[in-house]
Amino acid sequence: DTEVTQTPKHLVMGMTNKKSLKCEQHMGHRAMYWYKQKAKKPPELMFVYSYEKLSINESVPSRFSPECPNSSLLNLHLHALQPEDSALYLCASSQGQGYNEQFFGPGTRLTVL
Amino acid sequence: DQQVKQNSPSLSVQEGRISILNCDYTNSMFDYFLWYKKYPAEGPTFLISISSIKDKNEDGRFTVFLNKSAKHLSLHIVPSQPGDSAVYFCAASGGHDMRFGAGTRLTVKP
Repeated sequence: DTEVTQTPKHLVMGMTNKKSLKCEQHMGHRAMYWYKQKAKKPPELMFVYSYEKLSINESVPSRFSPECPNSSLLNLHLHALQPEDSALYLCASSQGQGYNEQFFGPGTRLTVL
Repeated sequence: DQQVKQNSPSLSVQEGRISILNCDYTNSMFDYFLWYKKYPAEGPTFLISISSIKDKNEDGRFTVFLNKSAKHLSLHIVPSQPGDSAVYFCAASGGHDMRFGAGTRLTVKP
């Protein structure tokens, strides 16, 4: 299994809602990532988990809360988002943090109303 | 501050010819470089990479060249095929994270 899966594919939420994005991989990778991608812009790193511990938080607002329940799962909890948070959220994994190529999921298209 | 730049947002090439995608970076701490390909509604897919100790890496129709002194890398696709039409992202890693360029949309015309 060389796939990173993400659910849901699309999400529309209001500014007062609480929702979660989910990411899963079964490749035995020990590093997992969240990226945010706006239209016609490069993916921007948000969080890195290495061996289930948060190792990088790129100064992301607290309305985004990551969670890594186990080595195969990565969640992104969303609360009180703003319309400007609407974007494609990509999850990725790699064997280890740093050099190895990252495998990306298809992304969750988030719209905040 | 964009540390990885792809200055051509789009490139159109005839089938069978060579496609050359360019990428520049500013951070001299980057020592591993990757190219990703992205189709609509899919996540980026790893294509080819190069370590800073090399200046060329080849994989089938794809070759990546690295010029460290110029902080420049390029991806050559030859011969180009219509199925290569996608957005290509250059990425650079300095150990803990990875930075992406804005992407170049390649269109290969039959």
